Amino acid sequence: EAAVTQSPRNKVAVTGGKVTLSCNQTNNHNNMYWYRQDTGHGLRLIHYSYGAGSTEKGDIPDGYKASRPSQENFSLILELATPSQTSVYFCASGDVGGSAETLYFGSGTRLTVL
Amino acid sequence: QQQVRQSPQSLTVWEGETAILNCSYEDSTFNYFPWYQQFPGEGPALLISIRSVSDKKEDGRFTIFFNKREKKLSLHITDSQPGDSATYFCAVLSGSFNKLTFGAGTRLAVCP
Repeated sequence: EAAVTQSPRNKVAVTGGKVTLSCNQTNNHNNMYWYRQDTGHGLRLIHYSYGAGSTEKGDIPDGYKASRPSQENFSLILELATPSQTSVYFCASGDVGGSAETLYFGSGTRLTVL
Repeated sequence: QQQVRQSPQSLTVWEGETAILNCSYEDSTFNYFPWYQQFPGEGPALLISIRSVSDKKEDGRFTIFFNKREKKLSLHITDSQPGDSATYFCAVLSGSFNKLTFGAGTRLAVCP
């Protein structure tokens, strides 16, 4: 069974502070993704990566950076957190577009920016 | 611009009834349509999927009906069970970028 682990599970940050959300996968998937989930919007893609060292902008990248230092790890960075970034963030891995075409999601990180 | 639309936003059915969840999309080049199921406090998980070359895909009590001409699809859950209570997301694959775009979801409640 594919495994994607996110940390922390919950995070409270202050406006203007720096936040780093971490994701680790043991599936050896090339592609990793960061989504945020908000009521009425479903899941929206922030950044994604095709492999170590690569990051690509998704549909709503403003205010976020991403880092993929290795095949297993993919981080989402909020340099200057704002209350509008309060949300639930999901990391996923999967070689969508290849032979597998299934995304495996982590359990999410609930971020509150005060 | 919303590429994937789902309706209704929420749906309540009685145990044993058939729940019908709808999805429509805009880009005719989309060719892969998965449905993901999400329980509270968990991440979404793939439930069932269909490719545009098919008009129907069945997996137990879950069936996708696909109408390519109208760019619509629906998920039918027959003999609904309380354990089916969850949020269901329709998604489309943007082949150029290997990414999934999700709809806003339908929250299903099955009453015993």
